[in-house]
Amino acid sequence: QVQLQESGPGLVKPSETLSLICTVSGDSITGYHWSWIRQPPGKGLEWIGNIYSNGNTNYNPSLKSRVTISVDTSKKQFSLKLSSVTAADTAVYYCARVVPSRAYYCSGDGCYSSSWFDPWGQGILVTVSS
Amino acid sequence: EIVLTQSPGTLSLSPGERATLSCRASQTISSSYLAWYQQRPGQSPRLLIYGASSRASGIPDRFSGSGSGTDFTLTISRLEPEDFAVYYCQQYGSSPTFGQGTKVEIK
Repeated sequence: QVQLQESGPGLVKPSETLSLICTVSGDSITGYHWSWIRQPPGKGLEWIGNIYSNGNTNYNPSLKSRVTISVDTSKKQFSLKLSSVTAADTAVYYCARVVPSRAYYCSGDGCYSSSWFDPWGQGILVTVSS
Repeated sequence: EIVLTQSPGTLSLSPGERATLSCRASQTISSSYLAWYQQRPGQSPRLLIYGASSRASGIPDRFSGSGSGTDFTLTISRLEPEDFAVYYCQQYGSSPTFGQGTKVEIK
């Protein structure tokens, strides 16, 4: 059964880059799509972006200019980088697997597979503060 | 962006009662591409329903989903103590978005 575990610094200074890693165990990382989702304290969920099995990425338009998601298949890890962070980026960050489905959508820059998320990692709280 | 509005914000019920949670979309969600998640305090979200009405593996049959177009419902037929939690809907017919959540609390 696949398990995901987030890791990285719990404190990041304003204007710096937040960097997190998700380690996949119990199943292959190749052949699947993967996602990052975040949740500010006491608030709801926000999708950050996906990395697809072919290495392509798709990001939330509201975060696109600051987000990079990449994968290292040899380590069974995928990562999130969020640049120029502010206090508004303080959140619990989750990694999750994108379940294969027939759903897709097209936007201005291409067509993307879309789906629900299962399973999720336990999450990691990242606080942006000086 | 498709905005999902969940109602009510909080539902106060007793164990054994029926819970009905609503998720309304700002535009039609194609092919009922809607999922529901449960989040207990201090835990990560857990998938309950996908495709608007299909239960995920291991989810008890007291959980059911229905709806299409812009209006979707999650029903818990008889609340168990472990069902008191926050529930989120998520659409995947376009760039994924989540509702703001409905908290089911013990009355």
